[in-house]
Amino acid sequence: DAGVTQSPTHLIKTRGQQVTLRCSPKSGHDTVSWYQQALGQGPQFIFQYYEEEERQRGNFPDRFSGHQFPNYSSELNVNALLLGDSALYLCASSLYDGVALTGELFFGEGSRLTVL
Amino acid sequence: DQQVKQNSPSLSVQEGRISILNCDYTNSMFDYFLWYKKYPAEGPTFLISISSIKDKNEDGRFTVFLNKSAKHLSLHIVPSQPGDSAVYFCAASDIQGAQKLVFGQGTRLTINP
Repeated sequence: DAGVTQSPTHLIKTRGQQVTLRCSPKSGHDTVSWYQQALGQGPQFIFQYYEEEERQRGNFPDRFSGHQFPNYSSELNVNALLLGDSALYLCASSLYDGVALTGELFFGEGSRLTVL
Repeated sequence: DQQVKQNSPSLSVQEGRISILNCDYTNSMFDYFLWYKKYPAEGPTFLISISSIKDKNEDGRFTVFLNKSAKHLSLHIVPSQPGDSAVYFCAASDIQGAQKLVFGQGTRLTINP
């Protein structure tokens, strides 16, 4: 049973560039959440996707956008990269029963983004 | 504004002894609390949770205690084992199942043989 998979695992970009990170949820899960973990900090919620729509959003600027595909996989896009965007980006998946998410979040290993 | 705080960046405990990790929160709307464990190069994995209607939840060697009046929770691991060495994150949510989690900064636990 494949868990949450993320790609790429590491990447380096320069300021002003754009980046796309990808996530495949755990088998059977339909909801994807993205978190940003800066060095020495805990993960911070970016947004959550269900049924191809953004359902909840954290305190992140519009430079951060996402997408969910019909197969439940998801992308995180960050435009106009800043040095402060350097972080580990974690994808987490879960199952929505129509009322609330059930069970705990399953996290991927993350994509480490370095902005120079 | 750090709504969930883990004031100890690191903790070192001898194998076989009890490990106690602490977490404080400021948002009284938080209703559901979780602990996650993270090994290097892996994503966080769920360890144990507690709803605000309880003050204790136990799962094997792991017990979480919640003191709502003090807005404080703690994770007890007994007995501690070398495989418990990891970074532990406390997290909170205002609704069970909403899973828009607010995490603390983490505590690095080292179990010494």
